[in-house]
Amino acid sequence: EVQLVESGGGLIQPGGSLRLSCAASGFTVSSNYMYWVRQAPGKGLEWVSVLYSGGTTYYADSVKGRFTISRDNSKNTLYLQMNSLRAADTAVYYCGGSPYGGLSYYWGQGTLVTVSS
Amino acid sequence: EIVMTQSPATLSVSPGERAALSCRGSQSVSTNLAWYQQTPGQAPRLLIYGASTRATGIPGRFSGSGSGTEFTLTISSLQSEDFAVYYCQQYNNWPYTFGQGTKLEIK
Repeated sequence: EVQLVESGGGLIQPGGSLRLSCAASGFTVSSNYMYWVRQAPGKGLEWVSVLYSGGTTYYADSVKGRFTISRDNSKNTLYLQMNSLRAADTAVYYCGGSPYGGLSYYWGQGTLVTVSS
Repeated sequence: EIVMTQSPATLSVSPGERAALSCRGSQSVSTNLAWYQQTPGQAPRLLIYGASTRATGIPGRFSGSGSGTEFTLTISSLQSEDFAVYYCQQYNNWPYTFGQGTKLEIK
Protein backbone atom coordinates (compact mmCIF):
# COMPACT_ATOMS: atom_id res chain seq x y z
CA GLU A 1 0.00 0.00 0.00
CA VAL A 2 1.27 3.45 -0.94
CA GLN A 3 1.48 5.99 1.86
CA LEU A 4 2.66 9.58 1.71
CA VAL A 5 2.96 11.29 5.08
CA GLU A 6 3.61 15.03 5.28
CA SER A 7 5.08 16.85 8.25
CA GLY A 8 6.65 20.19 9.07
CA GLY A 9 3.70 22.53 8.88
CA GLY A 10 2.82 25.06 11.54
CA LEU A 11 2.48 28.72 12.40
CA ILE A 12 5.23 30.96 11.06
CA GLN A 13 5.68 34.72 10.90
CA PRO A 14 5.80 36.53 7.57
CA GLY A 15 9.31 36.41 6.13
CA GLY A 16 10.10 33.18 7.92
CA SER A 17 11.08 29.75 6.60
CA LEU A 18 9.73 26.23 6.90
CA ARG A 19 10.69 22.89 5.46
CA LEU A 20 7.95 20.41 4.68
CA SER A 21 8.70 16.71 4.45
CA CYS A 22 6.83 13.89 2.73
CA ALA A 23 7.86 10.39 3.74
CA ALA A 24 6.86 7.72 1.27
CA SER A 25 6.26 4.02 1.78
CA GLY A 26 5.25 1.47 -0.81
CA PHE A 27 6.36 3.99 -3.42
CA THR A 28 9.82 5.07 -4.60
CA VAL A 29 10.25 8.83 -4.63
CA SER A 30 13.30 8.79 -6.87
CA SER A 31 11.68 6.89 -9.72
CA ASN A 32 8.34 8.65 -9.85
CA TYR A 33 6.92 12.11 -10.45
CA MET A 34 6.53 14.00 -7.17
CA TYR A 35 4.48 17.09 -6.47
CA TRP A 36 3.41 19.67 -3.95
CA VAL A 37 -0.11 21.03 -4.27
CA ARG A 38 -1.68 23.53 -1.88
CA GLN A 39 -5.16 24.60 -0.92
CA ALA A 40 -5.83 27.89 0.85
CA PRO A 41 -8.64 27.78 3.44
CA GLY A 42 -11.99 27.45 1.68
CA LYS A 43 -10.36 27.71 -1.76
CA GLY A 44 -9.45 25.46 -4.66
CA LEU A 45 -6.31 23.53 -5.48
CA GLU A 46 -3.06 25.04 -6.76
CA TRP A 47 0.02 23.27 -8.09
CA VAL A 48 3.12 24.52 -6.29
CA SER A 49 6.03 22.47 -7.59
CA VAL A 50 6.99 19.35 -9.52
CA LEU A 51 10.07 17.10 -9.34
CA TYR A 52 10.48 14.62 -12.15
CA SER A 53 12.39 11.38 -11.68
CA GLY A 54 15.17 12.73 -13.90
CA GLY A 55 15.61 15.74 -11.63
CA THR A 56 13.74 18.40 -13.61
CA THR A 57 11.83 20.83 -11.42
CA TYR A 58 9.05 23.34 -12.06
CA TYR A 59 7.55 25.98 -9.80
CA ALA A 60 4.43 28.09 -9.85
CA ASP A 61 5.21 31.75 -10.54
CA SER A 62 3.82 32.62 -7.11
CA VAL A 63 6.58 30.67 -5.34
CA LYS A 64 9.46 30.79 -7.84
CA GLY A 65 12.66 31.96 -6.20
CA ARG A 66 11.29 31.34 -2.69
CA PHE A 67 10.46 27.60 -2.62
CA THR A 68 12.73 24.67 -3.46
CA ILE A 69 11.63 21.09 -4.06
CA SER A 70 14.08 18.28 -3.44
CA ARG A 71 14.31 14.64 -2.42
CA ASP A 72 16.50 12.38 -0.32
CA ASN A 73 16.62 9.03 -2.05
CA SER A 74 18.17 7.28 0.95
CA LYS A 75 15.23 8.36 3.10
CA ASN A 76 12.63 8.00 0.32
CA THR A 77 11.44 11.47 1.27
CA LEU A 78 10.34 14.57 -0.64
CA TYR A 79 10.91 18.07 0.71
CA LEU A 80 9.67 21.58 0.13
CA GLN A 81 11.89 24.34 1.50
CA MET A 82 9.80 27.49 1.83
CA ASN A 83 11.55 30.84 2.39
CA SER A 84 10.30 34.42 2.60
CA LEU A 85 6.85 33.20 3.51
CA ARG A 86 3.85 35.46 2.97
CA ALA A 87 0.30 35.48 4.28
CA ALA A 88 -0.82 34.33 0.82
CA ASP A 89 1.16 31.10 1.34
CA THR A 90 -1.23 30.04 4.11
CA ALA A 91 -2.70 26.73 2.98
CA VAL A 92 -2.84 23.00 3.45
CA TYR A 93 0.11 21.58 1.54
CA TYR A 94 -0.37 18.17 -0.01
CA CYS A 95 2.39 15.90 -1.21
CA GLY A 96 1.55 13.89 -4.30
CA GLY A 97 3.17 11.22 -6.40
CA SER A 98 2.53 9.35 -9.58
CA PRO A 99 4.09 6.99 -12.08
CA TYR A 100 2.42 9.18 -14.69
CA GLY A 101 3.60 12.70 -15.38
CA GLY A 102 1.34 15.64 -14.70
CA LEU A 103 -1.24 14.12 -12.39
CA SER A 104 -1.18 13.03 -8.79
CA TYR A 105 -2.18 9.38 -8.42
CA TYR A 106 -1.37 9.26 -4.72
CA TRP A 107 -1.89 11.97 -2.10
CA GLY A 108 -0.76 12.57 1.45
CA GLN A 109 -3.16 13.80 4.12
CA GLY A 110 -1.79 17.34 4.00
CA THR A 111 -0.03 19.63 6.44
CA LEU A 112 -1.28 23.09 7.36
CA VAL A 113 1.01 26.08 7.01
CA THR A 114 -0.21 29.31 8.57
CA VAL A 115 1.73 32.51 7.89
CA SER A 116 0.70 35.16 10.36
CA SER A 117 2.13 37.61 12.86
CA GLU B 1 -1.29 29.67 -18.40
CA ILE B 2 -4.22 27.48 -19.41
CA VAL B 3 -7.40 28.44 -17.57
CA MET B 4 -9.78 25.59 -16.77
CA THR B 5 -13.41 26.59 -16.21
CA GLN B 6 -15.85 24.22 -14.57
CA SER B 7 -19.63 24.43 -14.74
CA PRO B 8 -21.87 24.60 -12.94
CA ALA B 9 -20.33 25.84 -9.69
CA THR B 10 -22.94 23.87 -7.75
CA LEU B 11 -25.05 20.98 -8.98
CA SER B 12 -28.01 19.65 -7.00
CA VAL B 13 -28.96 16.07 -7.85
CA SER B 14 -31.00 13.36 -6.12
CA PRO B 15 -29.41 10.04 -5.14
CA GLY B 16 -29.76 7.48 -7.90
CA GLU B 17 -29.85 10.11 -10.62
CA ARG B 18 -27.18 10.92 -13.17
CA ALA B 19 -24.84 13.91 -12.91
CA ALA B 20 -22.79 15.51 -15.66
CA LEU B 21 -20.02 17.97 -14.76
CA SER B 22 -18.33 20.11 -17.39
CA CYS B 23 -14.80 21.42 -17.74
CA ARG B 24 -13.55 23.72 -20.47
CA GLY B 25 -9.98 24.76 -21.23
CA SER B 26 -8.88 28.14 -22.55
CA GLN B 27 -6.82 26.24 -25.12
CA SER B 28 -6.47 22.65 -26.20
CA VAL B 29 -5.03 20.18 -23.67
CA SER B 30 -5.49 17.14 -25.93
CA THR B 31 -6.55 14.36 -23.55
CA ASN B 32 -4.18 15.43 -20.78
CA LEU B 33 -7.03 15.95 -18.38
CA ALA B 34 -7.66 14.49 -14.93
CA TRP B 35 -10.63 14.57 -12.56
CA TYR B 36 -10.38 14.51 -8.76
CA GLN B 37 -12.94 14.15 -5.99
CA GLN B 38 -12.54 15.89 -2.64
CA THR B 39 -14.70 15.45 0.44
CA PRO B 40 -14.51 17.87 3.39
CA GLY B 41 -11.30 17.59 5.37
CA GLN B 42 -9.82 15.01 3.03
CA ALA B 43 -7.14 15.01 0.39
CA PRO B 44 -8.25 14.89 -3.24
CA ARG B 45 -8.67 11.47 -4.83
CA LEU B 46 -7.81 10.77 -8.46
CA LEU B 47 -10.82 9.49 -10.39
CA ILE B 48 -9.97 9.82 -14.08
CA TYR B 49 -6.84 10.54 -16.10
CA GLY B 50 -6.16 10.73 -19.81
CA ALA B 51 -9.66 12.24 -20.00
CA SER B 52 -11.35 8.83 -19.83
CA THR B 53 -9.24 6.24 -17.95
CA ARG B 54 -10.48 5.33 -14.49
CA ALA B 55 -7.89 5.18 -11.75
CA THR B 56 -7.44 1.97 -9.80
CA GLY B 57 -10.38 1.18 -7.56
CA ILE B 58 -12.73 3.81 -9.01
CA PRO B 59 -16.27 2.46 -9.52
CA GLY B 60 -17.60 2.03 -13.02
CA ARG B 61 -20.34 4.61 -12.45
CA PHE B 62 -17.67 7.28 -12.97
CA SER B 63 -16.78 8.00 -16.58
CA GLY B 64 -14.91 10.75 -18.37
CA SER B 65 -15.09 11.96 -21.93
CA GLY B 66 -13.85 14.72 -24.18
CA SER B 67 -10.70 16.02 -25.80
CA GLY B 68 -9.23 19.34 -26.82
CA THR B 69 -11.04 21.96 -24.78
CA GLU B 70 -14.30 20.29 -23.73
CA PHE B 71 -14.57 17.57 -21.09
CA THR B 72 -17.31 15.90 -19.09
CA LEU B 73 -17.32 13.80 -15.94
CA THR B 74 -20.45 11.67 -15.68
CA ILE B 75 -21.63 9.83 -12.59
CA SER B 76 -24.29 7.43 -13.75
CA SER B 77 -26.21 6.72 -10.53
CA LEU B 78 -25.30 8.90 -7.58
CA GLN B 79 -24.49 7.25 -4.28
CA SER B 80 -24.40 9.10 -0.95
CA GLU B 81 -20.60 9.03 -0.90
CA ASP B 82 -20.41 10.82 -4.27
CA PHE B 83 -21.59 14.16 -2.92
CA ALA B 84 -18.36 16.11 -2.85
CA VAL B 85 -16.37 18.73 -4.75
CA TYR B 86 -14.95 17.72 -8.12
CA TYR B 87 -11.95 19.33 -9.81
CA CYS B 88 -10.66 18.96 -13.32
CA GLN B 89 -6.95 19.50 -13.97
CA GLN B 90 -4.94 19.86 -17.16
CA TYR B 91 -1.42 18.52 -17.41
CA ASN B 92 -0.70 19.35 -21.03
CA ASN B 93 1.48 22.35 -20.10
CA TRP B 94 3.18 23.65 -16.99
CA PRO B 95 1.86 25.29 -14.94
CA TYR B 96 -0.62 22.51 -14.47
CA THR B 97 -3.94 24.09 -13.59
CA PHE B 98 -7.11 23.06 -11.83
CA GLY B 99 -10.61 24.24 -12.46
CA GLN B 100 -12.31 26.09 -9.63
CA GLY B 101 -14.39 23.04 -8.73
CA THR B 102 -18.00 21.89 -8.94
CA LYS B 103 -19.79 21.14 -5.69
CA LEU B 104 -22.17 18.22 -6.11
CA GLU B 105 -24.86 18.42 -3.45
CA ILE B 106 -27.87 16.38 -2.50
CA LYS B 107 -31.15 17.67 -3.88
